[in-house]
Amino acid sequence: EAQVTQNPRYLITVTGKKLTVTCSQNMNHEYMSWYRQDPGLGLRQIYYSMNVEVTDKGDVPEGYKVSRKEKRNFPLILESPSPNQTSLYFCASRVRGSNQPQHFGDGTRLSIL
Amino acid sequence: KQEVTQIPAALSVPEGENLVLNCSFTDSAIYNLQWFRQDPGKGLTSLLLIQSSQREQTSGRLNASLDKSSGRSTLYIAASQPGDSATYLCAGGRDFNKFYFGSGTKLNVKP
Repeated sequence: EAQVTQNPRYLITVTGKKLTVTCSQNMNHEYMSWYRQDPGLGLRQIYYSMNVEVTDKGDVPEGYKVSRKEKRNFPLILESPSPNQTSLYFCASRVRGSNQPQHFGDGTRLSIL
Repeated sequence: KQEVTQIPAALSVPEGENLVLNCSFTDSAIYNLQWFRQDPGKGLTSLLLIQSSQREQTSGRLNASLDKSSGRSTLYIAASQPGDSATYLCAGGRDFNKFYFGSGTKLNVKP
């Protein structure tokens, strides 16, 4: 089954404790992206990657890092999480350079105390 | 930067009604416009994608149109059903790498 898998689905942690949210897709998609969703603000793009070792900033990259060492994986790293990063996070993937729809994971709810 | 607005924020209708959801954007140089559905606790499901050279797309009871000159897109749902209850999001961008989402319209279709 074609899917985008995020882990963990839920996480409660404390300020300053480094965390990584993993994202993996099994569709051999070149393009992957991270979004955060906050009430009243919709989804905002954090980072995206057009292929292995190619990443670029979205609209709200501050406080986040990403890496794309393998085609299937695109982890989101919070080096020093803060309460304003409490949010619902989504990973998505798509065939590169085409007008194909993005496939989304089921989301990761992060709470940073 | 693209700003995307969706009106109304919430909508409640009886089953069987035809309805229209609206999406407006500030940058007419939009590459494509997508409509998504989001169910509680789930990710987004792509419903329709309109490329910049197109004006509308149809899938079953759904029809989406794009008017770049006015900066608007509409999603038409015919003969609504309770199973259509969800949040509907539109998203677009100047290129196919960066996307800007509206904050959604929460639809409730009453049996």
